[in-house]
Amino acid sequence: GAVVSQHPSWVICKSGTSVKIECRSLDFQATTMFWYRQFPKQSLMLMATSNEGSKATYEQGVEKDKFLINHASLTLSTLTVTSAHPEDSSFYICSATASSGIYTEAFFGQGTRLTVV
Amino acid sequence: ILNVEQSPQSLHVQEGDSTNFTCSFPSSNFYALHWYRWETAKSPEALFVMTLNGDEKKKGRISATLNTKEGYSYLYIKGSQPEDSATYLCAFEVGANSKLTFGKGITLSVRP
Repeated sequence: GAVVSQHPSWVICKSGTSVKIECRSLDFQATTMFWYRQFPKQSLMLMATSNEGSKATYEQGVEKDKFLINHASLTLSTLTVTSAHPEDSSFYICSATASSGIYTEAFFGQGTRLTVV
Repeated sequence: ILNVEQSPQSLHVQEGDSTNFTCSFPSSNFYALHWYRWETAKSPEALFVMTLNGDEKKKGRISATLNTKEGYSYLYIKGSQPEDSATYLCAFEVGANSKLTFGKGITLSVRP
C-alpha cells in the first residue's frame, strides 16, 4: 500500500513556542491531505482538509490562525501549531488520499504526540 | 454532527477465540464505511472499504459485513491470535471527498 510519513513522532515544547509537523506521501501524489487530532479516550477528530496549492478548509471550532496548514506540493503538507499552550497537547495525525477507482483510500502517517509544558 | 458508535470499547479474549465488533452510523447520506486496524506506534492500516448494502468482505481470518439501511457494520475475527491485538477503527464517509468521521475504536487484546 501507499506510504505516508509523518515527523516528528513526538515533540515536547515550551508554552508560547510554535511546532511544525510534516506529513509526506512517499510513493504517490496526494492532492488532498487531512489533519486529525485525538484527545485521550476520544475519536480522531478532523481538524482541516488540505488541498495542494490552495487554502486549507478548517472544521468548525478549529482556529485557522493557530493551526497553520501549508500544502505546497503534491507530497508534503505541514501543520504548524502556533503559540502552543498546554491545552494543545494532543495526538495529531495526517492522512493522504489516493484514488482507487470507485472509492478513495486514505493512508495515514504514524502520528505526532505533542506535549506543551 | 455525525455520530459513529463502536462497541464494545475494549475486549480481552483468549488465543483461538472468535470475536466480533459493531460499528453503527447514520443510515442517511451513506457513501462508504471504512475499517482500520491500528497497532500502537504504527499507522492505521486500512482493512476494508465497504460501499454496498449487504457487502461482505474477507481478508484472511477477518471479515466484515455492512447494512446501510439500518446503519451498522460488523467486523469478525475468527480464531484470534496475539498479533491481532490492536485498536480497530471504523469511519463513515458521506460523500466522495474522503472526509471521514471516526468512532472511538475498539481495543482488542488477545492473550496467548
